[in-house]
Amino acid sequence: GQQVMQIPQYQHVQEGEDFTTYCNSSTTLSNIQWYKQRPGGHPVFLIQLVKSGEVKKQKRLTFQFGEAKKNSSLHITATQTTDVGTYFCAGPFSNFNKFYFGSGTKLNVKP
Amino acid sequence: ETGVTQSPTHLIKTRGQQVTLRCSSQSGHNTVSWYQQALGQGPQFIFQYYREEENGRGNFPPRFSGLQFPNYSSELNVNALELDDSALYLCASSSKRDQPGELFFGEGSRLTVL
Repeated sequence: GQQVMQIPQYQHVQEGEDFTTYCNSSTTLSNIQWYKQRPGGHPVFLIQLVKSGEVKKQKRLTFQFGEAKKNSSLHITATQTTDVGTYFCAGPFSNFNKFYFGSGTKLNVKP
Repeated sequence: ETGVTQSPTHLIKTRGQQVTLRCSSQSGHNTVSWYQQALGQGPQFIFQYYREEENGRGNFPPRFSGLQFPNYSSELNVNALELDDSALYLCASSSKRDQPGELFFGEGSRLTVL
């Protein structure tokens, strides 16, 4: 069945360093979403990518959707302690709004 | 705040018992999805309800069942609880059943099965 894999599982960075998490799907995705979950919290929607090769930016965050629509990445420039949390990618299966979530990348930022 | 509310926030049950979790969706949202999130894992899709009908199901046994009410609120019922059912249960509402759209998650119900 369809799977969404994420690497790395954990990332520890010094504040100010960059961070990247990668998401790979076993099948072509119609779209991909990214969520952030703070410790003890719930997933919060960050962005959705739909087009092949799409790149979107939100301040220090850059999201990319691969040309083949089977992979995606989230890059954070100059991390801050407020970036701490687990970042999940999510790809739809069968119909929209039903998603496979990756296992997440847990980011820890040392001040 | 997403406007999605879940209750209870925490509960403890023993093996074999039954549990009902509740979710009120964000105003204007007619689609509710339930996810199970085990510790250190990503959310796993359980099922989705649209206009009071089940609209897709993940790889969960029949002892996981649900309901959606005319006001779009929803319940998740789990019978014959097992230790592995211990997890955070997340409800997510959305406004578009068949188009890509943001999922609005509630704070979750943390279930511990002893």
